[in-house]
Amino acid sequence: DSGVTQTPKHLITATGQRVTLRCSPRSGDLSVYWYQQSLDQGLQFLIQYYNGEERAKGNILERFSAQQFPDLHSELNLSSLELGDSALYFCASAEGGSSNEKLFFGSGTQLSVL
Amino acid sequence: TQLLEQSPQFLSIQEGENLTVYCNSSSVFSSLQWYRQEPGEGPVLLVTVVTGGEVKKLKRLTFQFGDARKDSSLHITAAQPGDTGLYLCAGAGGRGSTLGRLYFGRGTQLTVWP
Repeated sequence: DSGVTQTPKHLITATGQRVTLRCSPRSGDLSVYWYQQSLDQGLQFLIQYYNGEERAKGNILERFSAQQFPDLHSELNLSSLELGDSALYFCASAEGGSSNEKLFFGSGTQLSVL
Repeated sequence: TQLLEQSPQFLSIQEGENLTVYCNSSSVFSSLQWYRQEPGEGPVLLVTVVTGGEVKKLKRLTFQFGDARKDSSLHITAAQPGDTGLYLCAGAGGRGSTLGRLYFGRGTQLTVWP
């Protein structure tokens, strides 16, 4: 158990809809990272938050947004969903904000867009 | 275009065999991490290498960071069925680098048959 909690574990929805994925980091970790994993693209970095502030952005679409709340949990919002958004979405946490740090991953949310 | 290229993409071997997987890039990294991911779970960190030419051992696993810090290899001796999984390398950029965050290769799917 990594100590990172992601909910829901599975999500099935239709095109055009909006969903919210939730992540609770390990106790004491200030950084939260979101990654998307698909068969053709592998694990793609989306966005990082550190202590409530956006720290870095990767390949995140404009239809996607995220935030980190004062209690350090984070949410990833995906809107106007398309078939190609179907993927595993991982949240990872780390103690600080350095790119060299060890990341602790949650078990992921499997999103299926039908 | 993937920043990190991993090879081979798939590897299927018998228990007791040795194997090496590779992680290559044209970019220089401040550090490189290796993760293992099992089905239905998030990646779990195995090791971090920081210094060019560094070699780290974790039981039957040997990790090497290239002298120029652009590539890495993972060698497994006498593979066991429990080694089965997706092996991912991830590179971190240093200060001033445009890489910023941790970027992953697509992984090597290893299957070890009893």
